[in-house]
Order: sequence, then C-alpha cells, then structure tokens
Amino acid sequence: GAVVSQHPSWVICKSGTSVKIECRSLDFQATTMFWYRQFPKQSLMLMATSNEGSKATYEQGVEKDKFLINHASLTLSTLTVTSAHPEDSSFYICSATAGSNYGYTFGSGTRLTVV
Amino acid sequence: AQSVTQPDIHITVSEGASLELRCNYSYGATPYLFWYVQSPGQGLQLLLKYFSGDTLVQGIKGFEAEFKRSQSSFNLRKPSVHWSDAAEYFCAVGAVDNAGKSTFGDGTTLTVKP
Repeated sequence: GAVVSQHPSWVICKSGTSVKIECRSLDFQATTMFWYRQFPKQSLMLMATSNEGSKATYEQGVEKDKFLINHASLTLSTLTVTSAHPEDSSFYICSATAGSNYGYTFGSGTRLTVV
Repeated sequence: AQSVTQPDIHITVSEGASLELRCNYSYGATPYLFWYVQSPGQGLQLLLKYFSGDTLVQGIKGFEAEFKRSQSSFNLRKPSVHWSDAAEYFCAVGAVDNAGKSTFGDGTTLTVKP
C-alpha cells in the first residue's frame, strides 16, 4: 500500500531558529501534498496544499513567509518553520495523494517543541 | 463551505460491546467521506472511505460505515470492540473535485473498558 514517511518524528528547537520537516511518498508519486497542524486534543487544520513544481496554496490565516513549503519533486515536500516561537509548538502532519481518484495517505506526524 | 460534526467528544464502551461513532457533514454536492483513527502521538490511519456506489462501506480492523444522504450522516460502526481500538477517531469530508483537501471533525475519543 501507499506509504508516506515523515521526518523527524519529533524535534525540539530554540526560539528564533528554523526547523525543516520532510514528507516523502515512498512507493508512489505524490502530485499533491497537504500540510496540517494539530493542537493537543484538537482536530487537524489544513495549512497548505502543495503541488509538485508549483507554489503552495495557503489557507487563510496561515503565514506563508513563516511556514515555507517546497514540493520540488513528486516524492518530497518540505515544511520549514522559520524563526520558530513557542506558539508554533504543535503536531504537524503531512498527507500525499497521487491524484483525486486515489486515496491519500498520512505521514506519522512531527511533534515540534519550541523552547 | 463543507463542515463535519462529530457530536460525541468522548465515548466509553466495554470490550466486546458494539460501537457506533456519529458523523454528520455539510456539503453542497456528493461528498467524499473518510474515517481515520489516530493513536496518541501518531499520524492518521485511514479506516475506510466512501466515494460512490454501495452506501455501506467496509474498512480495516472490522469497521464499517454507512452513508445516509437523507441524514447527511456517515456513522462508523464495529460489532465488537477490542481494547486496541481505544484511540481518537476523525471523520472527514472532501470535495469531489479535490478529495485531498478535506475538512476534519473535532474527533471522538474512544475509551474501552475491560
């Protein structure tokens, strides 16, 4: 079945630094990847949609200069949290799909803690 | 705009008992509907999905869900719950033209009593 690998699974960083999270589709070509954010005990909130080779489309209220998304290949998308602050601490999850007629698969998530 | 409501924040059932988790959606056209399970600190695992066809959908781990258009519902069921089913369950609805861009419900936490 389709597998999406997300790395790292957890990261602690200092306030003001940047953190990069990778999302890889291991056995299929992901034309579209999605990045979600999940606060404790809450649901997933879509942050952005990225299509390979195109600029990401951000949801309303998501700062595109703070959450940089790159989808340079059909198997890799990255989310970079720039100048991280404690309020950016959250669980970030990616998902990937090969197209609207296919299902889409979630990564295992990344727990970001900014201290 | 699409939306999903999971009326039950927390449900507790005894092991071996049946389970039904409720999900109501709002969407103007035929929706793509999903149920996911999330264990603590983990990503989401797809249990089942409905795109079209038979309204009773079978999923993994013995789960099934029934799409009822008249009630705008997509309730998840399992005839006999196992202790390992304790987790957070999310219902999601996606647009037909972009099934990947889903809206998630707030989730239902399932506790299983021995």
